[in-house]
Amino acid sequence: DAGVTQSPTHLIKTRGQQVTLRCSPISGHKSVSWYQQVLGQGPQFIFQYYEKEERGRGNFPDRFSARQFPNYSSELNVNALLLGDSALYLCASSPLQGLGNEQFFGPGTRLTVL
Amino acid sequence: DAKTTQPPSMDCAEGRAANLPCNHSTISGNEYVYWYRQIHSQGPQYIIHGLKNNETNEMASLIITEDRKSSTLILPHATLRDTAVYYCIVRPHVSGGSNYKLTFGKGTLLTVNP
Repeated sequence: DAGVTQSPTHLIKTRGQQVTLRCSPISGHKSVSWYQQVLGQGPQFIFQYYEKEERGRGNFPDRFSARQFPNYSSELNVNALLLGDSALYLCASSPLQGLGNEQFFGPGTRLTVL
Repeated sequence: DAKTTQPPSMDCAEGRAANLPCNHSTISGNEYVYWYRQIHSQGPQYIIHGLKNNETNEMASLIITEDRKSSTLILPHATLRDTAVYYCIVRPHVSGGSNYKLTFGKGTLLTVNP
């Protein structure tokens, strides 16, 4: 079975640019979450979407936005990129039904801002 | 903020049991203990979770103290492929699309040596 997929795997942008990262959850999973992981730190929660609605937001500026599509895939958008946005961006999906509270993570998108 | 405390690093010999401790002295009655691990440059991987009883699956065992203020993740026969950062997380067992974030700390870097 396919796991969580993310695209692209690597991305290089310059300061001030905008970026869109994509995530496809495991088939049947309706919840998608996004995390940012800077070097040497654990992942930090950015957003959670469930049934196409935002259900949670972490402590990130409004330059960060996301959406979930009818097929439950998701996009994370970051505007006006800063050097500090360089990080591994992780997407996680979960069935969020019954006891399905485990989150399954994708391999991540490595964003480098120059 | 992370509500757990873990040692920053540990070493283990290949084939021996790896015992990773976690302190969560402020855990609430409805919070579960989750363990994830992250192998270098990959997304975190779910290992196991528990409320108050000891749990075991094909990957590991989780021992939770009676007062629930600490726990230990046990990898019974560590292999080189178990070298990773291990995260201990406490969170409520939510359902129905509620805010579902995982709060990661810095975790424990387990190095399995040949």
